[in-house]
Amino acid sequence: EPEVTQTPSHQVTQMGQEVILRCVPISNHLYFYWYRQILGQKVEFLVSFYNNEISEKSEIFDDQFSVERPDGSNFTLKIRSTKLEDSAMYFCASSVGVSGGNQPQHFGDGTRLSIL
Amino acid sequence: SQQGEEDPQALSIQEGENATMNCSYKTSINNLQWYRQNSGRGLVHLILIRSNEREKHSGRLRVTLDTSKKSSSLLITASRAADTASYFCATLSAYGGATNKLIFGTGTLLAVQP
Repeated sequence: EPEVTQTPSHQVTQMGQEVILRCVPISNHLYFYWYRQILGQKVEFLVSFYNNEISEKSEIFDDQFSVERPDGSNFTLKIRSTKLEDSAMYFCASSVGVSGGNQPQHFGDGTRLSIL
Repeated sequence: SQQGEEDPQALSIQEGENATMNCSYKTSINNLQWYRQNSGRGLVHLILIRSNEREKHSGRLRVTLDTSKKSSSLLITASRAADTASYFCATLSAYGGATNKLIFGTGTLLAVQP
């Protein structure tokens, strides 16, 4: 069964450094998402992406965050200057169609980001 | 309580027993989805129920939705040790236009004892 794959599984970064988290969505999916889960807290929506542009973002997704689909397969999340509070598990997800059209979102195993 | 609250927070049962988890939410929804998360792993989609549906089955899973009470339940029948995981409900709001933003609950940690 096709899967969303994320790399790396664990990223350790010094505060203030830039970090790029990588995802390969399921190949025929058109909608891409990033969520995060701070330890012990709920999974939180960050951003959705369709047709090479952001379609929706949360308040968490400020100017320090950016997303990109640099080629036909990868989807990346960049945090420009990391803060301690960015430490979390980051999940990439994709769906073949809109969730409002009752298409489920399929998640990767996540990247655990630790900011020191 | 916030959108997407599950109860109980933790549930321990014996293999072969049924497990029921509940989810309550605040605002009107387009659909509600249930996910499973094994420790240290990603979220696995289990089942999606639309706002105009009342019950849905998938294998050993049965999901109900009561929009008048803004609640849903997930029943796992004949549980197995491999069902041990955290279970989350996630709602898609009926407001805000073409949103794809899933709002997750706090989760129920299910432990199935062999």
